[in-house]
Amino acid sequence: DAKTTQPPSMDCAEGRAANLPCNHSTISGNEYVYWYRQIHSQGPQYIIHGLKNNETNEMASLIITEDRKSSTLILPHATLRDTAVYYCIVREYSGGSNYKLTFGKGTLLTVNP
Amino acid sequence: SAVISQKPSRDICQRGTSLTIQCQVDSQVTMMFWYRQQPGQSLTLIATANQGSEATYESGFVIDKFPISRPNLTFSTLTVSNMSPEDSSIYLCSVEGGTSGGARYNEQFFGPGTRLTVL
Repeated sequence: DAKTTQPPSMDCAEGRAANLPCNHSTISGNEYVYWYRQIHSQGPQYIIHGLKNNETNEMASLIITEDRKSSTLILPHATLRDTAVYYCIVREYSGGSNYKLTFGKGTLLTVNP
Repeated sequence: SAVISQKPSRDICQRGTSLTIQCQVDSQVTMMFWYRQQPGQSLTLIATANQGSEATYESGFVIDKFPISRPNLTFSTLTVSNMSPEDSSIYLCSVEGGTSGGARYNEQFFGPGTRLTVL
């Protein structure tokens, strides 16, 4: 089962920041938090990941709380093309040198004009 | 990022038949995975395709139903055997970790998916 919980849906106005929350209270010390998004009928797209520190790239920022039990993905200036299902995932060790992603239900973000 | 292609992109099949889905990557990658996404649902990991050895299956998935091959570091196939309408899903290949450019460790890239409908 997924180790994360997310709100099922959120709305955001175009041009505004979208802040997507995620709870992962059972995360282990060496497990990373990953964010992906899936636009309708396409394969998931990697956005960002982090362990302890806040991270930023060209797509988004990831804010992880100090206790690592929750995080927030920030899209600084949402556009209509950012409408998608956003998945927050705790990457789990699965044996040997392998890791796996367990997808939950995600948050459907709708960006409105 | 690695460029991943899947064939076929979609297919409509009859009950009881089998379909083999191909996943091709434009660079050598360490790990390849197969997922299933049933209609209106999230992604579920089927198995990790291991190069040169048997795939590692997740709970609820078995080799007889979903045989997987991975003959080299850029290619894998997933077969959906003895299909039933319940197998109607999108099947996605993903990759992680590479030896040359493309796929990076700690980032998993997904293919476009194969949309399967079983009648």
